[in-house]
Amino acid sequence: EIVMTQSPAILSVSPGERATLSCRASQYISNNVAWYQQKPGQALRLLIYGASTGATGIPARFSGSGSGTEFTLTISGLQSEDFAVYYCQQYYNWPRTFGQGTKVEIK
Amino acid sequence: EVQLVESGGGLVQPGGSLRLSCAASGFIFSSSWMSWVRQVPGKGLEWVAYIKQDGSETHYVDSVEGRFTISRDNAKNSLDLQMNSLRPEDTAVYYCAKGGWYPDFWGQGTLVTVSS
Repeated sequence: EIVMTQSPAILSVSPGERATLSCRASQYISNNVAWYQQKPGQALRLLIYGASTGATGIPARFSGSGSGTEFTLTISGLQSEDFAVYYCQQYYNWPRTFGQGTKVEIK
Repeated sequence: EVQLVESGGGLVQPGGSLRLSCAASGFIFSSSWMSWVRQVPGKGLEWVAYIKQDGSETHYVDSVEGRFTISRDNAKNSLDLQMNSLRPEDTAVYYCAKGGWYPDFWGQGTLVTVSS
């Protein structure tokens, strides 16, 4: 099973600043990574797939990068609605696995 | 508008059974892989199972293999998860999700609590 490790666990950022979230895979997974946003009481929202392709309707301030084992989600110009928990997920093989999440909170 | 609405959760004793259902609308259900993903409240996510469009292929995480069965009814736009021999560690919110690789739509989830 591929282990996905996210860092940091909690990221304190001021509105308008940039947030950089990291995700590391325990083995090579090419670009088979997706990122999701989760807010309390709301359905998960797909942000990025293929490591860097924005999902439909996702604002351009969300961007993804990386390949192999190291991946990054960047949120440029954080807005109030962006404070949430973010998960990375690999789909290189089965079982699909998620990182433990990074909580982006208001500084 | 895509909608996925889960139902069937509740409190069940260890060793018991429960059947979850997901009502899908707003997309061509019969053309989509579908998945069940669970989350222990306040914790991370675990992909439980997924099923091919015609139901001919299914995959399960090791921890539920042989106890859970994913199925679908394309005529009714419905996805099910039959859960048998439930254990306390199966306690979680169960989400229905559209897709088998990187789901692009998710339901709000239904809570399953396994406890005596």
